[in-house]
Amino acid sequence: QSVLTQPPSVSGAPGQRVTISCTGSSSNIGAHYDVHWYQHLPGTAPKLLIYANSNRPSGVPDRFSGSKSGTSASLAITGLQAEDEADYYCQSYDSSLSGWVFGGGTKLSVL
Amino acid sequence: QVQLVQSGAEVKKPGASVKLSCKASGYTFTGNYMHWVRQAPGQGLEWMGWINPNNGGTNYAQKFQGRVTMTRDTSITTAYMELSSLRSDDTAVYYCARASPAGTHGPYNWFDPWGQGTLVTVSS
Repeated sequence: QSVLTQPPSVSGAPGQRVTISCTGSSSNIGAHYDVHWYQHLPGTAPKLLIYANSNRPSGVPDRFSGSKSGTSASLAITGLQAEDEADYYCQSYDSSLSGWVFGGGTKLSVL
Repeated sequence: QVQLVQSGAEVKKPGASVKLSCKASGYTFTGNYMHWVRQAPGQGLEWMGWINPNNGGTNYAQKFQGRVTMTRDTSITTAYMELSSLRSDDTAVYYCARASPAGTHGPYNWFDPWGQGTLVTVSS
């Protein structure tokens, strides 16, 4: 059971927009800790996609965007492409656990 | 470029220990904390702890305290993670990940980059 809750899967057609939610609590996202997002293709290293809620590292397309409000955060992907098919994880910090926490991951399928 | 290269796959029997390595290059090794994260089959990511390569200070997730030891060798810019008393549910891919931004340590850290992962299989 992950501390941060994500939908197990989302899907969309090429060109469409999808969002992935990440729900926490008052000891993590709601405590104003930042949320970061990673893209993970099986067998490879997870890749940083969004840091500090809404910032994109260099090289990440602007099709990816992040937002945060209250005890939740969201990752939006516009103009879906086949190469976006991957697992996506949110990450934050939890003061009750005194450690870093992740969501359970969301598998994105591009139909 | 910044790179973390991990050691190869391991197969261990229950009760044994495993020591994994993570070779860093392309940046000042002592400038960033190193974290370890694992992913069991079909499961999400699980944070295990961190090591400060500058002074060897460590902090472990409560779940792993008493079983995990993180060390480093600054002369070869390598971090290590040893897990003892292995059980079948320790079967997972283990990742090292550099805390960012450089020169900071705190709840606002994110992880970038990550190593390629090391599969540890625990089976009798």
